[in-house]
Amino acid sequence: GAVVSQHPSWVICKSGTSVKIECRSLDFQATTMFWYRQFPKQSLMLMATSNEGSKATYEQGVEKDKFLINHASLTLSTLTVTSAHPEDSSFYICSALGPGGNSDGYTFGSGTRLTVV
Amino acid sequence: DAKTTQPPSMDCAEGRAANLPCNHSTISGNEYVYWYRQIHSQGPQYIIHGLKNNETNEMASLIITEDRKSSTLILPHATLRDTAVYYCIPSPPNQAGTALIFGKGTTLSVSS
Repeated sequence: GAVVSQHPSWVICKSGTSVKIECRSLDFQATTMFWYRQFPKQSLMLMATSNEGSKATYEQGVEKDKFLINHASLTLSTLTVTSAHPEDSSFYICSALGPGGNSDGYTFGSGTRLTVV
Repeated sequence: DAKTTQPPSMDCAEGRAANLPCNHSTISGNEYVYWYRQIHSQGPQYIIHGLKNNETNEMASLIITEDRKSSTLILPHATLRDTAVYYCIPSPPNQAGTALIFGKGTTLSVSS
């Protein structure tokens, strides 16, 4: 089945630095990928929709200048958390729609645990 | 988008069937019902999906009522590894480019 690889699986960074998270579709092309954030004991919250070759669409309340999304190819989307602060510490997850569209389901990465100290 | 109602938590004994209900009374005619689960600190895992017919795969069975207003996910022989949060999610009405929106899900606890 469709596989989405997310890297790194965890990262610790200092306040004020930037962190890049990669999301790759390994065996299919994904024109659209999605980024979620999950705080402890809460559900996944959609942050943005990443579109290959165009600007990402951000959900209300998500700062586009802080969470930079780049989807430069059909198999790679990146999320960069800029000037990270402790409140950005969270579990970040990406997903992509499988090659069969709605009938295929969505595939999720394994997530990235970000800790800002 | 359709809204869903799931019980916040359920318990199940190992080896028994786990039946997880979901109410999606406002689901649109062209929306699939997807079920995902999330084991602690992992990404969501696809389980099964259906439109209006009952479905079965190696992981689970999905029973959708005739009026499509509710569904039940059945894990026929629950194991400890099935302990997770289970999400019932009607698919977006668009065919592509729209994300899955997660509710609070049901936390299933399987015990020996």
